[in-house]
Amino acid sequence: EVQLVESGGGLVQPGGSLRLSCAASGFTFSHYWMTWVRQAPGKGLEWLANINEEGSQTYSVDSVKGRFTISRDNAKNSLSLQMDSLRVEDTAVYYCMRGTVGAPGFDFWGRGTLVTVSS
Amino acid sequence: QTVVTQEPSLTVSPGGTVTLTCGSTTGAVTSGYHPNWFQQKPGQPPRALIYSTTNKHSWTPARFSGSLLGGKAALTLSGVQPEDEADYYCLLHYTSSWVFGGGTKLAVL
Repeated sequence: EVQLVESGGGLVQPGGSLRLSCAASGFTFSHYWMTWVRQAPGKGLEWLANINEEGSQTYSVDSVKGRFTISRDNAKNSLSLQMDSLRVEDTAVYYCMRGTVGAPGFDFWGRGTLVTVSS
Repeated sequence: QTVVTQEPSLTVSPGGTVTLTCGSTTGAVTSGYHPNWFQQKPGQPPRALIYSTTNKHSWTPARFSGSLLGGKAALTLSGVQPEDEADYYCLLHYTSSWVFGGGTKLAVL
């Protein structure tokens, strides 16, 4: 069974840092692109960043470039999101999502981890 | 800035048919945008329904189908069930990134 479990969320002050993790199981992690998505309270979904199978290619949305860094450890079946210079508007539930194989797309989601940026 | 557009809300009767659309401010949506569709119910993470325009996942009910329609991506629900009441999001691919639409709140009344 494919499972994605996010962790690392919590309360952080503006300007602070947080590192999110996504533990993957039930599939060969190193064969899939992985993605981070967030959802602010009561709002829609926002695609943040993705990373290829080897970790050699990463892409991110302009609003987090230079502040958030996506990475992966295939030996540990783990995806990470390092978040620096956090802002109040980064408050959201953060989800990891697996890419499909073959045709561009996405299939499995984790249940998310809540990040609250507040003083 | 690229914006992906969806109907904010739609209402459909049980057993009816409804089509949700997904447009782009950059122009017509083609298969090259690889439209994906997701369903989200309150308090739950999103669930993938359709990828690359028309492809269903193993868990996607047969009443859901994806297509291109009038320069937009479309998600059609045929024979709507009460449990289909949810928020629906499309996701389009642009060069090196992806952009979600604002979502459509579907009411089944």
